[in-house]
Amino acid sequence: DIQMTQFPSSLSPSVGDRVTITCRASQSISTYVNWYQQKPGKAPKILIYASSILHGAVPSRFSGSGSGTEFTLTISSLQPEDSATYYCQQSYITKYTFGQGTNLEIK
Amino acid sequence: EVALVESGGDLVQPGGSLSLSCEASGFILRNYEMNWVRQAPGRGLEWLSYIDRSGDNIHYGDSVQGRFTISRDDAKNSLHLQMNSLRGDDTAVYYCARDLGKSSAFDVWGQGTMVTVSS
Repeated sequence: DIQMTQFPSSLSPSVGDRVTITCRASQSISTYVNWYQQKPGKAPKILIYASSILHGAVPSRFSGSGSGTEFTLTISSLQPEDSATYYCQQSYITKYTFGQGTNLEIK
Repeated sequence: EVALVESGGDLVQPGGSLSLSCEASGFILRNYEMNWVRQAPGRGLEWLSYIDRSGDNIHYGDSVQGRFTISRDDAKNSLHLQMNSLRGDDTAVYYCARDLGKSSAFDVWGQGTMVTVSS
């Protein structure tokens, strides 16, 4: 199975800050990484797929990059509504796995 | 509006069985690959199972292999998860999720249904 190690596990930035979350895969997975945002009590929501493609109406302050084993999700200028938990997911093999999650709590 | 609605969650004793359903609306289920994902209380997301459009290609996570069975009823626009030999660590919110078809990302999620395994 492919393990996804996500860090940091939590962050406490301020509105307007730039934030980067990293996921490291246990083997090379090309660009088969997707990113989700989950707010308490809600289902996850897709942000980015194929490492860097923004889905639908996701704000452009969100961006993704990476290939091989290292991937990043960046939020360029944090907004209060970005307070949530973020997960990466590998989709290189159909035993999909998620990272452990990053809890973003805005000060 | 595109939506998925899960049902069937309940309190069940260890060793028991439960069947979950996921009804799709606003789109034709047979055109999509589908998945089940769960989240234990206070924990992260765990992918459980995948089914392709034909129903012939199915995959399971190690924790549920041999105990859970995914199926689809395209005539009823619905997805199912039969869960047997339930254990305490199966306690979670269970989500069905639609495969976007690109990078196997999950673009539509249900609201989730709670399964509690306890005596």
